[in-house]
Amino acid sequence: DAGVTQSPTHLIKTRGQQVTLRCSPKSGHDTVSWYQQALGQGPQFIFQYYEEEERQRGNFPDRFSGHQFPNYSSELNVNALLLGDSALYLCASSAQGPQYFGPGTRLTVL
Amino acid sequence: GQNIDQPTEMTATEGAIVQINCTYQTSGFNGLFWYQQHAGEAPTFLSYNVLDGLEEKGRFSSFLSRSKGYSYLLLKELQMKDSASYLCAVRDLPNAGKSTFGDGTTLTVKP
Repeated sequence: DAGVTQSPTHLIKTRGQQVTLRCSPKSGHDTVSWYQQALGQGPQFIFQYYEEEERQRGNFPDRFSGHQFPNYSSELNVNALLLGDSALYLCASSAQGPQYFGPGTRLTVL
Repeated sequence: GQNIDQPTEMTATEGAIVQINCTYQTSGFNGLFWYQQHAGEAPTFLSYNVLDGLEEKGRFSSFLSRSKGYSYLLLKELQMKDSASYLCAVRDLPNAGKSTFGDGTTLTVKP
């Protein structure tokens, strides 16, 4: 049973560019959440998708947007990248129990 | 909103027992989770409490008191590989609501 997968593993972008990160949930999971984790801090909730709709959103600007597909996979898009967007981006999937995390995408903005 | 507090760092000796505390103040509560995160890796799920009391899972146990807004993670028979960050997280809605995380407790296990 494959766990949560994310791509790419690492990404380097420059300020002002746009980025798309991808996530495939664990088999049987229908809910996908995205988190941003800066060094030395806990994951910060960006938003959550369920049934292809954004169900909850954290305190992140509109530059952060997402999508969920009929097969429950999800994308996170970030526009107009800032240096402060450099972080580990984690995808977590769940059904009715705990969230399980993917390996993350390390985004570096130069 | 949600506020999660846990110690920043702890040190313990191999073979010993360590307790990592977590206190929370939340506007909604539907479960408390503990995750382990090794440096440069994603968090891995350890335990989950939704009712008061102790949940035991091998060398790891987690306790919850909802009236006190308090939880702890107990690690027994510490091993060097237990050196990691331990994250406490509170879920706000039933089933699949978002989780708010503390900043983690970095545990160092020494020989």
